Amino acid sequence: QVQLQESGPGLVKPPGTLSLTCAVSGGSISSNNWWSWVRQSPEKGLEWIGEIYHSGSTNYSPSLKSRVTMSVDKSKNEFSLDLSSVTAADTAIYYCARIKPGFDAWGQGTLVTVSS
Amino acid sequence: QAVVTQEPSLTVSPGGTVTLTCGSSAGVVTSGHYPYWFQQKPGQAPRTLIYDTSTKHSWTPVRFSGSLLGGKAALTISGAQPEDEADYYCMVSYSGVRLFGGGTKLTVL
Repeated sequence: QVQLQESGPGLVKPPGTLSLTCAVSGGSISSNNWWSWVRQSPEKGLEWIGEIYHSGSTNYSPSLKSRVTMSVDKSKNEFSLDLSSVTAADTAIYYCARIKPGFDAWGQGTLVTVSS
Repeated sequence: QAVVTQEPSLTVSPGGTVTLTCGSSAGVVTSGHYPYWFQQKPGQAPRTLIYDTSTKHSWTPVRFSGSLLGGKAALTISGAQPEDEADYYCMVSYSGVRLFGGGTKLTVL
């Protein structure tokens, strides 16, 4: 059973870069699958950030595309999210998830607060 | 960008049936939008109940079913249980872009 675990700083100063990693266990990140980042805030609810395939192919939310970079590290069996030029509006719980089949596995989520 | 709409809140009696809907400002929701339904309880990550309109995961209780109804995606709970009290979110896809609805807070009372 695949398990995902997010990690990264809980506090980021604006206008810095939010960087998170999702460690995948119980399965290979190089399997035929896409891996996603989703965030949740009281103001915006659930928001899809984007997704990445192990080859490096990506799909990003149009509203965040200019600030988002996702990457995969096959040697560590993990994938990452960088969100640049953050503001208080980026304060949220960030989740990573496996997309197939049907977003079947989620991390527990990590709270990231953007504040000076 | 389309806006995905859900009922903000619904109440169902224990043992009753309730249908949650998921509409889009872009028009009719079809199977080609691959509707998802997620359940989320306080302090927990979302959990997928239904994907691709009506496909269930192994953990999805039989009482939950997904369909298309009146131009929207729908989640029906037949025989609601107290443990079904939660927030429910739908998600649809438009050309590779995934959009979440604002969620429905379901009360079982």
